[in-house]
Amino acid sequence: NAGVTQTPKFRILKIGQSMTLQCTQDMNHNYMYWYRQDPGMGLKLIYYSVGAGITDKGEVPNGYNVSRSTTEDFPLRLELAAPSQTSVYFCASSQTSVQETQYFGPGTRLLVL
Amino acid sequence: GQQLNQSPQSMFIQEGEDVSMNCTSSSIFNTWLWYKQDPGEGPVLLIALYKAGELTSNGRLTAQFGITRKDSFLNISASIPSDVGIYFCAGSNTGNQFYFGTGTSLTVIP
Repeated sequence: NAGVTQTPKFRILKIGQSMTLQCTQDMNHNYMYWYRQDPGMGLKLIYYSVGAGITDKGEVPNGYNVSRSTTEDFPLRLELAAPSQTSVYFCASSQTSVQETQYFGPGTRLLVL
Repeated sequence: GQQLNQSPQSMFIQEGEDVSMNCTSSSIFNTWLWYKQDPGEGPVLLIALYKAGELTSNGRLTAQFGITRKDSFLNISASIPSDVGIYFCAGSNTGNQFYFGTGTSLTVIP
């Protein structure tokens, strides 16, 4: 199993551009999550999904959108990139509930200039 | 959002020494997790705690779920160079998300 994979590893965006961060898991997990990690800080939850077709906002959802059309994929969309969205983005998944172990991907580093 | 305070922010220790760090919350949690993050990688779960007072070990690591349910502790015994990294606590109540601490950066000097 590859676990949780994320693409791209690194991206530079100009202000106002849009992009999609990809996340795929091959563990048949129901729950998936997107976090952002700012320098020297802990992770903050952006959006999460408890299953295909179901998504919900986390702590810091503004400026982002998600979709969950399949169990495996949970893309994160930035529509109008802003410098405040410069961060490292982590995708994670867990099998059946938030209380279970979350497995993290390697992260996507995003720089908005 | 929830505030989790981790201390210390950073530690520099000699190889072989024991390490203690803690995490406190303004809210009661039902679950505490401890993660380690290596540079350029995602966090990896070390220990999960589900019950107040619970003491759980994973090799040289021991973590405790505080009795008040507002704190948790992580100890590393006989540190080795590969223990270097950032350690994060995370807590959850009955909601649908975990809240993460700001991390403790550990440096082990050989």
